[in-house]
Amino acid sequence: QQQVKQSPQSLIVQKGGISIINCAYENTAFDYFPWYQQFPGKGPALLIAIRPDVSEKKEGRFTISFNKSAKQFSLHIMDSQPGDSATYFCAAFSGYALNFGKGTSLLVTP
Amino acid sequence: DADVTQTPRNRITKTGKRIMLECSQTKGHDRMYWYRQDPGLGLRLIYYSFDVKDINKGEISDGYSVSRQAQAKFSLSLESAIPNQTALYFCATGRRGLEGYTFGSGTRLTVV
Repeated sequence: QQQVKQSPQSLIVQKGGISIINCAYENTAFDYFPWYQQFPGKGPALLIAIRPDVSEKKEGRFTISFNKSAKQFSLHIMDSQPGDSATYFCAAFSGYALNFGKGTSLLVTP
Repeated sequence: DADVTQTPRNRITKTGKRIMLECSQTKGHDRMYWYRQDPGLGLRLIYYSFDVKDINKGEISDGYSVSRQAQAKFSLSLESAIPNQTALYFCATGRRGLEGYTFGSGTRLTVV
C-alpha cells in the first residue's frame, strides 16, 4: 500500500504565484522527508529535505513545512516560474529505502 | 560523465525475452536501488542492495532479479518480459547517513 500519499495529482499556477503540494504519511518510523523534482527525460533530483525535529526549512523559493503531530508535510514554491514546471515527488525514508508519493505534475503558466 | 549511468536509455523487447538493464556509478556510494516509474503511480522499489553481498527485495520484486557485480555496478534482469513491465526504470545510489539519493537518467523499457 502507498505509504506516502501526495496531492494534488496535477497543479496549474500562474507565474509569480505560490505552488503548494501536500503529503501525508502513517509510519512514525520515517525520519527523513525529501522532495524530488523531475523534468521530462531526466531522473528525479533532490530539491530540498527536512527531518522531523524541524517544522520548516527554506532554500531560496522552496520551503518545506512539516507537521509531525498531523504526519503531514508540504512543499511551497514561492514566486513560481515557468522553469519550475516539472513533476514533484515527496518521499519518506524508512531506514533502508525511500518511499515515494505518486507525484504532482506542476505547470506554471506565463 | 554522469555520476549514475544507466544503459540502455531505451529498449523495445518482445514478450518472453530476457533483458538486462545495467547501472554503474562513480559516486562511491555503497547502497544501490532499482525503482520503477509508471504514470500516476510514482516510484516503486523493486530491489535494493547495501553492499555486494546484501541484496533485498522491494515492494514489487516479482518477475525481476538483480545482480550486484561490484560496489559500482547493479543490474536488473527481467527473466521473461511481459507487457505490464513496460515502464521507466531508475537506478539510484545512496550511502549510510546520507538518505538523499542520486538517480540515473532512466531506462525506458517497452515490452511488446
